[in-house]
Amino acid sequence: SSELTQDPAVSVALGQTVRITCQGDSLRSYYASWYQQKPGQAPVLVIYGKNNRASNRASGIPDRFSGSSSGNTASLTITGAQAEDEADYYCSSRDSGNHLMFGGGTKLTVL
Amino acid sequence: EVHLLESGGGLLQPGGSLRLSCEASGFTFSSYAMSWVRQAPGKGLEWVSSISGSGDSTYNADSAKGRFIISRDNSKNTLYLRMTSLRAEDTAVYYCAKEGSGYYPYYSDHWGRGTLVTVSS
Repeated sequence: SSELTQDPAVSVALGQTVRITCQGDSLRSYYASWYQQKPGQAPVLVIYGKNNRASNRASGIPDRFSGSSSGNTASLTITGAQAEDEADYYCSSRDSGNHLMFGGGTKLTVL
Repeated sequence: EVHLLESGGGLLQPGGSLRLSCEASGFTFSSYAMSWVRQAPGKGLEWVSSISGSGDSTYNADSAKGRFIISRDNSKNTLYLRMTSLRAEDTAVYYCAKEGSGYYPYYSDHWGRGTLVTVSS
């Protein structure tokens, strides 16, 4: 499959932990990257995989964000969600043909 | 500091053509692959096309094949997207993104603010 599947919406209480998942066959071979997008803004890289690590935080990203991967599923975890974390989150991966793909996005609401 | 500035968007009629540009600064442009990613109004992100740092290799989504051409001028630190035979479904904000690899799309560690392309009669 050349698709990445995300839950459309997830909510979390302020200060609690939330996991956003992404499923796709490409994730068995390639790392996922995760992007945060707030309304009217460009996406921002949050987590990327590189050098045998599935979870590298991008520059300036708080350490409450982490990533993991198992089989065909990648996950973005926010430990102690803050109000400013409310945003759309997209996973991305590439395939064997060096084509990129994005998941449909998950709208995170912080209650 | 990495800076990416897109330009060239606008309102076009179906069947029209357009060239988007992305001026880059703050990094060694020729060392990194670059990508175009678009976002239709109210929709998710969609990868369009990528090019290696040297410009020797290009990669295109099915939606772009035969209609869009990605290119770069490393002497001008500028990325381009030539778009032809435009359709209403090409209406989107087009983002320029710097990749974390020199050779292929991998993870986009910096993004421009985007330029809006509207295709409508």
